[in-house]
Amino acid sequence: AQSVAQPEDQVNVAEGNPLTVKCTYSVSGNPYLFWYVQYPNRGLQFLLKYITGDNLVKGSYGFEAEFNKSQTSFHLKKPSALVSDSALYFCAVSRDDKIIFGKGTRLHILP
Amino acid sequence: EPEVTQTPSHQVTQMGQEVILRCVPISNHLYFYWYRQILGQKVEFLVSFYNNEISEKSEIFDDQFSVERPDGSNFTLKIRSTKLEDSAMYFCASSTLDGNSGNTIYFGEGSWLTVV
Repeated sequence: AQSVAQPEDQVNVAEGNPLTVKCTYSVSGNPYLFWYVQYPNRGLQFLLKYITGDNLVKGSYGFEAEFNKSQTSFHLKKPSALVSDSALYFCAVSRDDKIIFGKGTRLHILP
Repeated sequence: EPEVTQTPSHQVTQMGQEVILRCVPISNHLYFYWYRQILGQKVEFLVSFYNNEISEKSEIFDDQFSVERPDGSNFTLKIRSTKLEDSAMYFCASSTLDGNSGNTIYFGEGSWLTVV
């Protein structure tokens, strides 16, 4: 069964430092992987996805994610964090005709 | 930019009452979904809908829940007799193709349901 795991409940990063939010996946066949962000009291916003091709995927707000097949990972990254990046981040995978979310990682960017 | 819109943004209802949450998906989308999120925690799949019928539902989506696309634009979630544990944020979503194609699913801003 397709699933994703986010091992960290919370990640704290100082503003200006690089950030990484981790995600590992378990799928059979080709994985379709997503990152969504949720700001406080808001809906889920699509950031980026991996379907096929280049392992480094670029998305909104300067975020990128690296697909690593050997490590079954799809970590979200940003070279320089902003305080406004503080939010809840969800990794997700396609399964059947829907997507399934990980439990989420709360990202705190410290000024 | 097209977006999924949901109403109401917040509803408070008494336990046992019926609730209808409404959604207008993006206009050229064919697949529709409801998800829920309890207290800012994990986002859980409820149901997917295609071609005027349910294509998949989770174990959460029991007989108290139903979905409908009454007029070709709205997509509704009905909870027949609400329970305290139905209190959650309910997200409507839509996509052009099914998620199994790697297609992006777009979400609305959500409807907060509080059952008292």
